[in-house]
Amino acid sequence: EDQVTQSPEALRLQEGESSSLNCSYTVSGLRGLFWYRQDPGKGPEFLFTLYSAGEEKEKERLKATLTKKESFLHITAPKPEDSATYLCAVQGESNYQLIWGAGTKLIIKP
Amino acid sequence: DTGVSQNPRHKITKRGQNVTFRCDPISEHNRLYWYRQTLGQGPEFLTYFQNEAQLEKSRLLSDRFSAERPKGSFSTLEIQRTEQGDSAMYLCASSSYYRQTGEKLFFGSGTQLSVL
Repeated sequence: EDQVTQSPEALRLQEGESSSLNCSYTVSGLRGLFWYRQDPGKGPEFLFTLYSAGEEKEKERLKATLTKKESFLHITAPKPEDSATYLCAVQGESNYQLIWGAGTKLIIKP
Repeated sequence: DTGVSQNPRHKITKRGQNVTFRCDPISEHNRLYWYRQTLGQGPEFLTYFQNEAQLEKSRLLSDRFSAERPKGSFSTLEIQRTEQGDSAMYLCASSSYYRQTGEKLFFGSGTQLSVL
């Protein structure tokens, strides 16, 4: 069964303190791994798609990487406006629909 | 591109009542999804349309839930005989395919349902 686990559930950092969020997945044939950001009271907002192990994508202070078992979202020198819940989802070959993790709530303190 | 619009933003209802939510997708998107999300969880797939055709429904979806997308434009999600367990955020997303990113979902801000 396709499954996605995100860790940690919550992460508190000081402004400027770099760290990483983890997304572990089990899927029969990965078609794509997706990262979204969700602010309170809003729908998720697309960040990245990764397709194969070794692939990396960057956007401002965020960098997503992918291996055969997990993905990392690295955040470098974060600012308070990076505070949000970060969601990971996978799409497998046997199931068209996205399987979502529960998210990591990131809090950046000034 | 005015984004995905959902109405109402909030709905409070009594157990046993019927409720209907509306989603207006981005106009050029032919795919439309409904998800449900509870606090501390990721979105849970409910159903999916390509144009006006409903192509997939979650096997876990109760018969009390029904969705339509007449003429492939806006969509409605109806819940009949609501139960307290239906309380959640109901999210709508529409999608388009981009060569660099693949299928990219654009979400609305959701309808927060509270069943008393």
